[in-house]
Amino acid sequence: QQQVKQSPQSLIVQKGGISIINCAYENTAFDYFPWYQQFPGKGPALLIAIRPDVSEKKEGRFTISFNKSAKQFSLHIMDSQPGDSATYFCAASPTGGGNKLTFGTGTQLKVEL
Amino acid sequence: DGGITQSPKYLFRKEGQNVTLSCEQNLNHDAMYWYRQDPGQGLRLIYYSQIVNDFQKGDIAEGYSVSREKKESFPLTVTSAQKNPTAFYLCASSIDWGQAFFGQGTRLTVV
Repeated sequence: QQQVKQSPQSLIVQKGGISIINCAYENTAFDYFPWYQQFPGKGPALLIAIRPDVSEKKEGRFTISFNKSAKQFSLHIMDSQPGDSATYFCAASPTGGGNKLTFGTGTQLKVEL
Repeated sequence: DGGITQSPKYLFRKEGQNVTLSCEQNLNHDAMYWYRQDPGQGLRLIYYSQIVNDFQKGDIAEGYSVSREKKESFPLTVTSAQKNPTAFYLCASSIDWGQAFFGQGTRLTVV
């Protein structure tokens, strides 16, 4: 059972455009929602994370929007750059679960010039 | 220079062989994790440990074993019982509610 559904599987965006990746979860016990960025052959690195007490969090060009009632959250990358080309994973972990993360299946982003 | 070190970067296993992947961290984190990554399937949790000498199975533990004798180390053994071991293996560590830091991964291939 996939508990975190991520879409789209791949995304092509023009330089300067907005990249949007969506995730939906089923487990209402989840209360920590990070996004990870992964370059080929490397381990994932934390990009930005949110807890359900806020609806939006922004760090530079990266914004998480969170809709608790719909059990959905999304990553927006503003002014997308070729260096943002990578695979992005959403994840979630439950209360009392330490950091036992359940990951989405990933979105391969390509930013074209 | 703090972080998580996985070795080797590439590993080849023959049929019926056990192999051990190393993971060491100097971040003083209590919790450590092993994930398996396959194309199109994201990362799936194999085992995790929240304290020395204790560990729990994740979602896909069959065919794998771990030990946690030291806080800094969490080696993963891929046994011959794992029928499809070819994958990218990632180790991570975290403080209880904090950011999970990942190593650079080990790519295991069956030959």
